Amino acid sequence: RKEVEQDPGPFNVPEGATVAFNCTYSNSASQSFFWYRQDCRKEPKLLMSVYSSGNEDGRFTAQLNRASQYISLLIRDSKLSDSATYLCVVVRNRDDKIIFGKGTRLHILP
Amino acid sequence: DTEVTQTPKHLVMGMTNKKSLKCEQHMGHRAMYWYKQKAKKPPELMFVYSYEKLSINESVPSRFSPECPNSSLLNLHLHALQPEDSALYLCASSQDHRHFSDTGELFFGEGSRLTVL
Repeated sequence: RKEVEQDPGPFNVPEGATVAFNCTYSNSASQSFFWYRQDCRKEPKLLMSVYSSGNEDGRFTAQLNRASQYISLLIRDSKLSDSATYLCVVVRNRDDKIIFGKGTRLHILP
Repeated sequence: DTEVTQTPKHLVMGMTNKKSLKCEQHMGHRAMYWYKQKAKKPPELMFVYSYEKLSINESVPSRFSPECPNSSLLNLHLHALQPEDSALYLCASSQDHRHFSDTGELFFGEGSRLTVL
């Protein structure tokens, strides 16, 4: 089983809709979790951190479920500019190794 | 615009060439990283420098040789590469590696797109 797994998509979602996707991780000792966004042919950029208590930033909500070992990203009122690949990032506890998921491609349709 | 600058943006080289990729940041960050990214794949960590010392080498072949001349600069020297090494090479920096672990703040450059013929 891969250490970090994401549904590659693509998710094709009409503008204005709500979309959610998950990322599962296999190492229960993983310590930190983040969502990054990568536009086509651009560098990845930090979108938000993920905490057990949940984290909201405008239309974006990230949550961590340690018991089931997954993190989620919810995008409300999606915009065309949300079209990108969303990368789940997990930091492993024992060696601080940064592990990127393969990413979920999101297409917002007009 | 990213505050991590990578040059060149594009590089085409033959298998017998020697070339270098350069990365520069002036944010005072003490951790710098090289990643390799192939199309439709996530970035794969190659090397981590922490306080100008190599702290992580992810079993990268010796034809890739990193160098950190000072806290602002990171180079990747390339020699005798293979066509399968063609990829986007991303440099990144963070305040330090522990800070990244706590905050997720990893700043990437725009990358150097390498083609090996």
